[in-house]
Amino acid sequence: AQSVTQLGSHVSVSEGALVLLRCNYSSSVPPYLFWYVQYPNQGLQLLLKYTSAATLVKGINGFEAEFKKSETSFHLTKPSAHMSDAAEYLCAVSATGGFKTIFGAGTRLFVKA
Amino acid sequence: ETGVTQTPRHLVMGMTNKKSLKCEQHLGHNAMYWYKQSAKKPLELMFVYSLEERVENNSVPSRFSPECPNSSHLFLHLHTLQPEDSALYLCASSQAVRQRGAQETQYFGPGTRLLVL
Repeated sequence: AQSVTQLGSHVSVSEGALVLLRCNYSSSVPPYLFWYVQYPNQGLQLLLKYTSAATLVKGINGFEAEFKKSETSFHLTKPSAHMSDAAEYLCAVSATGGFKTIFGAGTRLFVKA
Repeated sequence: ETGVTQTPRHLVMGMTNKKSLKCEQHLGHNAMYWYKQSAKKPLELMFVYSLEERVENNSVPSRFSPECPNSSHLFLHLHTLQPEDSALYLCASSQAVRQRGAQETQYFGPGTRLLVL
């Protein structure tokens, strides 16, 4: 079985500051891990995904995430926040052999001018 | 049109009404999903269709009835809903590869905001 925990339902950063959104997972098999972004009144858009290739995954809009098996973590980072990054970010985990993807509760990112 | 579209975008219905949500994907995918997104709760998978066959039914009440007539269209039929069913209903699609379905990227529609009175 898989599960996802996102630490912090709300994160606030200043424009230009580092963005760090935390995600820890639990999986009995090697996981596939995803970060999605959701803007108000829109569906989810994939930022990046880990599928057992490189542990440092680069995504769109300058985001990246590092898979750390020993820490069961897949934290999302961006060196410099932009106002347009303000949105809901969802971490998700799934396993091969099925179609079930488990999502975390989400973290709302606020960017202050 | 491109991507995944959903209609209607907003829906208000009484508990005795019957309505349907529609999803259409223009990506050539062969798997489609229904999710429920409620306030302060994680996104919940409801149903998955792969090659027009239901492959996941996540303990969803029978007042929700999915239909997948072909690989491009997915419906969610609603009847005798409860106020707690008010939520954003999201449709997604992906290119399913046998035994690798879960690692394929899902593409989401904008959702239908449902309010049950």
